[in-house]
Amino acid sequence: NAGVTQTPKFRVLKTGQSMTLLCAQDMNHEYMYWYRQDPGMGLRLIHYSVGEGTTAKGEVPDGYNVSRLKKQNFLLGLESAAPSQTSVYFCASSPTISKYEQYFGPGTRLTVT
Amino acid sequence: AQRVTQPEKLLSVFKGAPVELKCNYSYSGSPELFWYVQYSRQRLQLLLRHISRESIKGFTADLNKGETSFHLKKPFAQEEDSAMYYCGDSGGSNYKLTFGKGTLLTVNP
Repeated sequence: NAGVTQTPKFRVLKTGQSMTLLCAQDMNHEYMYWYRQDPGMGLRLIHYSVGEGTTAKGEVPDGYNVSRLKKQNFLLGLESAAPSQTSVYFCASSPTISKYEQYFGPGTRLTVT
Repeated sequence: AQRVTQPEKLLSVFKGAPVELKCNYSYSGSPELFWYVQYSRQRLQLLLRHISRESIKGFTADLNKGETSFHLKKPFAQEEDSAMYYCGDSGGSNYKLTFGKGTLLTVNP
């Protein structure tokens, strides 16, 4: 099992550009999440999904969109990147029965100039 | 709304010394607390949760409802304990976790 994978690992964008981050999990988990990690701010939930075809806003959803067309994939989109979105992005998934234990991906380091 | 506070951004101790990473919560319902750890160049992973009352890698954490705290403790720190530690709460939600801002622990030789 690969667990949770994220693509790409690194990316540099210019202000105004768009991109999509891909998260994939092979554990048949129902729940998936996108977080951003910033120094001094910890982990903040951007969006999450409780099942295929569903998405919901987290703590800091502005400037991001998500889609969960397939159970194993959770996409995070930035339509018009801003320097404030420079961060490390983590995807996570969890099975229905274990809400504590989220399995995290390796992260994507995004820099917006 | 639930809120988790980790008052120390940085904590530095010497190998063999006791270590305590502080965590306070403000959830008014029944808190469901946990600690996650992120070692250098590794993924964030669950360390322990209060409902299981377990000890992982020598770490323990006790829920103190009177002080609304869930401090992480280890009697003798090791260099390999150096990592970022996040306290969190899932109280009130079946699937969302709220993380604190994290404490970076450095264990010096």
